[in-house]
Amino acid sequence: EIVMTQSPAILPVSPGERVTLSCRASQRVATNLAWYQQKPGQAPRLLIYGASTRAPGIPATFSGSGSGTEFSLSISSLQSEDFALYFCQQYIDWPITFGQGTRLEIK
Amino acid sequence: QVTLKESGPALVKPTETLTLTCTLSGFSVSTSGIRVTWIRQPPGRALEWLGRIDWDDGTVYRSSLETRLTISKDTAKNQVVLTMTNMDPVDTGTYYCARTDLNWNYVFDSWGQGTPVTVSS
Repeated sequence: EIVMTQSPAILPVSPGERVTLSCRASQRVATNLAWYQQKPGQAPRLLIYGASTRAPGIPATFSGSGSGTEFSLSISSLQSEDFALYFCQQYIDWPITFGQGTRLEIK
Repeated sequence: QVTLKESGPALVKPTETLTLTCTLSGFSVSTSGIRVTWIRQPPGRALEWLGRIDWDDGTVYRSSLETRLTISKDTAKNQVVLTMTNMDPVDTGTYYCARTDLNWNYVFDSWGQGTPVTVSS
């Protein structure tokens, strides 16, 4: 199975900063990569699919890039509501696999 | 508005059978192209795909769980049901259901909030 690796597990950042999160696949997944946001007690929310396409309703402050095995999610000018857990997912191969996530914390 | 909501017991004993229900709203489980997937997250670990059921009753299960896992749907109640037999403490975690609309994409466009399950005697 394809292993998805995200680091760091926790990332302290200041409001207003731009942040870039990384996700690495153990095998090439082309652009079959999605990013999700999850807040405590809430359902995960789809942010990005196809590595770089924003899901409906997702603001332009979120952007994704990458292909093959290296991917990134950037959030420009962090707002208070952006402090959450972010995880990546590949969907090129069965079983679908997820990264463990990176949690953004207020510095 | 599309919503999914998981429900079921929070605590089960080892060797017991777990039954979880995912109640769907805003869409029908029998609409062509709809897929509902069960995913779980053990404490401190990554999300784990368990299995899925499609609008046409097609199912696929994680190979390691094939002998223990059954996913079915109740069209009249618009629900998807997960049944997992012979529960073990390693099955402890938060269980999610999520929707895929194959007419649009292969990703999970809506998720439930998850329901925690602890396996302990």
